[in-house]
Amino acid sequence: GENVEQHPSTLSVQEGDSAVIKCTYSDSASNYFPWYKQELGKGPQLIIDIRSNVGEKKDQRIAVTLNKTAKHFSLHITETQPEDSAVYFCAASRAAGNKLTFGGGTRVLVKP
Amino acid sequence: NAGVMQNPRHLVRRRGQEARLRCSPMKGHSHVYWYRQLPEEGLKFMVYLQKENIIDESGMPKERFSAEFPKEGPSILRIQQVVRGDSAAYFCASSPPGREVAEAFFGQGTRLTVV
Repeated sequence: GENVEQHPSTLSVQEGDSAVIKCTYSDSASNYFPWYKQELGKGPQLIIDIRSNVGEKKDQRIAVTLNKTAKHFSLHITETQPEDSAVYFCAASRAAGNKLTFGGGTRVLVKP
Repeated sequence: NAGVMQNPRHLVRRRGQEARLRCSPMKGHSHVYWYRQLPEEGLKFMVYLQKENIIDESGMPKERFSAEFPKEGPSILRIQQVVRGDSAAYFCASSPPGREVAEAFFGQGTRLTVV
């Protein structure tokens, strides 16, 4: 089955700096890679996703890159703000159905 | 358009009791997924259902756990004879039909505590 590894497990950045989270996956058949933000006591919120036919996608301060050959993908948050503080999860799935395999999460703390 | 609705938000059960967790998907969504999250860990897939069908239950424990998504009404995750190790947050997600890969949106979860 699919295995998703996520690093780092914790990340502390100064407000305004960039944050980068990296994930690797094992199943070469995976072709959908979403990122979720989870705040304390809440459910995961989809923030951006990328499909295997695209190498990069950007949405305002958030960008995701995908390297299918190396089987890794990354989340980039620029100009971080205190409200970006949360736990971020990467995930991977195949086309058939939408069973997601999640990474272990990264706790991001943005210091004012 | 309401999001994925889960209830109850918090549930306390004594060991040996039954827990029933409910999930109403987003309007127009016919695919429902259940995930479990232990403290300080990621989400683990449990089961994937469509109306009246279990599509993939590879993540469900073999005993005490069952799930359904009837033609009418919410999806139900049922845990019989709960044990302390069942204490976790249970999240439901839904996605629309008709697409091979579609965004999944999560509810706020049910936090089960077994005492």
